[in-house]
Amino acid sequence: GAVVSQHPSRVICKSGTSVKIECRSLDFQATTMFWYRQFPKQSLMLMATSNEGSKATYEQGVEKDKFLINHASLTLSTLTVTSAHPEDSSFYICSARNPVGGANQPQHFGDGTRLSIL
Amino acid sequence: AQKVTQAQTEISVVEKEDVTLDCVYETRDTTYYLFWYKQPPSGELVFLIRRNSFDEQNEISGRYSWNFQKSTSSFNFTITASQVVDSAVYFCALRMGSSNTGKLIFGQGTTLQVKP
Repeated sequence: GAVVSQHPSRVICKSGTSVKIECRSLDFQATTMFWYRQFPKQSLMLMATSNEGSKATYEQGVEKDKFLINHASLTLSTLTVTSAHPEDSSFYICSARNPVGGANQPQHFGDGTRLSIL
Repeated sequence: AQKVTQAQTEISVVEKEDVTLDCVYETRDTTYYLFWYKQPPSGELVFLIRRNSFDEQNEISGRYSWNFQKSTSSFNFTITASQVVDSAVYFCALRMGSSNTGKLIFGQGTTLQVKP
């Protein structure tokens, strides 16, 4: 079964709305989670690394004030797209890795959130 | 520099054919980890296989097999007797051993279409 849960799976909203996406690790504690963005027919682009109890680490070119990340517990990270505009429409996907079991443990991905801004 | 290259953008095969997806990586780390993920049309990424840099033994798991060659920095993935349900985008990914966060670097993806 799924080990990472992402919610909601789809959001359609008006321009200017802020949208919150949740990512939960279901049966392990994740001090680090990752947020990716994927445009149609393209690869995953890492947006930021979410760190439990501290600030997220953003990749170059990603606006911190636009994409707010909160990792308040060891099993939950949230991504808030603030004042979303049509250009923010995309597929957002989170991932987490169970640190137990060694460095070769794979990242497990949520099912993704398809965001459409009208 | 760390980089993953999947030169095949799209592959189309007929059901029951074998198909190999190519992956070439670049890293200066001596310890690293390689992964293959599948992304069906529904969008979720499904973990398929992984390989550590210090283990070059190639394996077969059901219809999946992989060929890890450090000498050519390649980590190719083969599906034997392909099925329509194998149609998806396949991503090769690299994680450096020096990364304490587990950050992955993805290739561009290969779209596999298996026709009946």
